[in-house]
Amino acid sequence: DAGITQSPRHKVTETGTPVTLRCHQTENHRYMYWYRQDPGHGLRLIHYSYGVKDTDKGEVSDGYSVSRSKTEDFLLTLESATSSQTSVYFCAISESKGVRETQYFGPGTRLLVL
Amino acid sequence: GIQVEQSPPDLILQEGANSTLRCNFSDSVNNLQWFHQNPWGQLINLFYIPSGTKQNGRLSATTVATERYSLLYISSSQTTDSGVYFCAVDPNYGGSQGNLIFGKGTKLSVKP
Repeated sequence: DAGITQSPRHKVTETGTPVTLRCHQTENHRYMYWYRQDPGHGLRLIHYSYGVKDTDKGEVSDGYSVSRSKTEDFLLTLESATSSQTSVYFCAISESKGVRETQYFGPGTRLLVL
Repeated sequence: GIQVEQSPPDLILQEGANSTLRCNFSDSVNNLQWFHQNPWGQLINLFYIPSGTKQNGRLSATTVATERYSLLYISSSQTTDSGVYFCAVDPNYGGSQGNLIFGKGTKLSVKP
């Protein structure tokens, strides 16, 4: 299994509070991704990173920011959490983009915003 | 953007039965992967298969890129096969960074 951990695994927070989720990898892969999974929508991309300090927006980026100061860590921040951000968040990694590369997923973080 | 449709949305099988899951996509793709999400929520990569056929034990997959569909076959199903199966594609756009677009999944329940 790819070495991907996410922390925390579960979090309950209140509307309006900031929240940071962490993804840590031991594979030295270049690409890292944050997805959210919601009933009826499958997984949707929030942000991704193609290198240290290189990030870009995905399909559902509003209300989220990311940072990657080291190859192994990719942080997802909800600046002011809302109930619509209650979801399961997955981090993924891959060695290179697209062609002939597999994405591996972390265990997920369940976030409940009250 | 590209559309990814999976069918059927739900499937109930008796242990030992065979099944075929389908994934249709609306545009050409660089990458197609099948994932299994187990009842504990973990996403496990089954196949990287942008074209052709692959087999891994009781599972096999075929992608016909020219006709924009992929099939996942499960033979002699077991209760541990239960969960949700996702198809995900990376559209063949010049600016793509390997981002995957997921279908909504097929929920499989295998009864003992």
